[in-house]
Amino acid sequence: DTEVTQTPKHLVMGMTNKKSLKCEQHMGHRAMYWYKQKAKKPPELMFVYSYEKLSINESVPSRFSPECPNSSLLNLHLHALQPEDSALYLCASSQATSGIEQFFGPGTRLTVL
Amino acid sequence: DAKTTQPNSMESNEEEPVHLPCNHSTISGTDYIHWYRQLPSQGPEYVIHGLTSNVNNRMASLAIAEDRKSSTLILHRATLRDAAVYYCILRANQAGTALIFGKGTTLSVSS
Repeated sequence: DTEVTQTPKHLVMGMTNKKSLKCEQHMGHRAMYWYKQKAKKPPELMFVYSYEKLSINESVPSRFSPECPNSSLLNLHLHALQPEDSALYLCASSQATSGIEQFFGPGTRLTVL
Repeated sequence: DAKTTQPNSMESNEEEPVHLPCNHSTISGTDYIHWYRQLPSQGPEYVIHGLTSNVNNRMASLAIAEDRKSSTLILHRATLRDAAVYYCILRANQAGTALIFGKGTTLSVSS
C-alpha cells in the first residue's frame, strides 16, 4: 500500500468555524508533511513531523495547528481562517526526513467564506 | 537553498521524446537533483533523482551535466497522461531537509 489518503476531499468553512483535515498513511513512514498550494502556484511547505515530533514550522500562522497523534496519522486543525487561506492542502510522507521519495495525497480543497 | 530555473511551459506531440531542462548554477556538492510532477487535480508524484551520474527508471531518464549546473529530464515517448507540471528541485540528502518547489514547467502533450 503506497497510498496517502486525505479527508475530506472538499471543505467549505466560515471564518468563525473550527475544522480539521486528516491525513493517513500505512507505509511505515516516520516523516509526514503539510503543504499549501494556491491555484496555479507550486506547493509551499507548512510543517514537517519527524517521528511524531514537529521538526519544521515554516512560520505558519497559529490559526493552523498541526497534530501527529501516531506514526500513521497527521491532522491539521483550522480555526478562524481567512478567505486568503483558501487553497489545496496536501499531505505527504516519506521514510524519514532524509527519505528520497515523498508520497503525496490528493489533497483537500479548502474554501473559506 | 540553491535555486532552479525552468521554462514556464513546453509542448510535445504524443509518442515523441520530451527534454525538460533545468538550470541550477548555484548547486552545492551535497545537493541531489529531484524531479516531481503534478498531474491535473492530483498531488505531486516522484519521478526520478540523481547526484552526478545519469539515471534511468521506468518513468524517465535524468541527464546531469558534468559541472552539475544543469540537468534534463527525458521522457522517451510522451503520452497524453504525461501532461503535467514538472518540478526540478534541489535537496540535500540529510535529515531535516524538505522539498522546496519552484515554479515548474507545464508540459502539454498533443495527439
